[in-house]
Amino acid sequence: GAVVSQHPSWVICKSGTSVKIECRSLDFQATTMFWYRQFPKQSLMLMATSNEGSKATYEQGVEKDKFLINHASLTLSTLTVTSAHPEDSSFYICSGKGQGYEQYFGPGTRLTVT
Amino acid sequence: SQQGEEDPQALSIQEGENATMNCSYKTSINNLQWYRQNSGRGLVHLILIRSNEREKHSGRLRVTLDTSKKSSSLLITASRAADTASYFCATPQSGGSYIPTFGRGTSLIVHP
Repeated sequence: GAVVSQHPSWVICKSGTSVKIECRSLDFQATTMFWYRQFPKQSLMLMATSNEGSKATYEQGVEKDKFLINHASLTLSTLTVTSAHPEDSSFYICSGKGQGYEQYFGPGTRLTVT
Repeated sequence: SQQGEEDPQALSIQEGENATMNCSYKTSINNLQWYRQNSGRGLVHLILIRSNEREKHSGRLRVTLDTSKKSSSLLITASRAADTASYFCATPQSGGSYIPTFGRGTSLIVHP
């Protein structure tokens, strides 16, 4: 199957700083990318959907000014958590969708805000 | 958006046994997907079943869909320790969408 990578795989940052997470589709062009967050033993919650070259569509309750998403190319999307706080600590997972219905998920990024 | 709910939340079995997980959902769907997640990792797509299909197989996996009962099941036959993971069903976010929304998952432990 197609491969999606995320970088970094884990990050620890101080409260008030910003963190950027990259999501890359390595062997296919992802026309649409999705960002999810997952708390321990919980479901994945969709945060936003982004299409290459256009603004992301955020789910209800997700602050677009806090979670900045950029989908600059068909192989790269970035999520920036601005002014991070401890409650933003979570597991962030991206996925890319190609031409078909299937989504390919990245391995996730563990964010810990101290 | 609707969300599938998996049952049981946790399942512990011995290697070689079969594992059955169920998923129930609320509104009409045109497809349902099952995913697997190893601890602390991303999701792996297992299988998609469309609303006009009743059963689908992939290796040791068997998925059924009963649209009248709004439920689906995932059966893993002859389980292996490597099958230990969380399993999620996912239903479309809305209408004919293929954007999945996930339930809380079933945590499966297969003891060697």
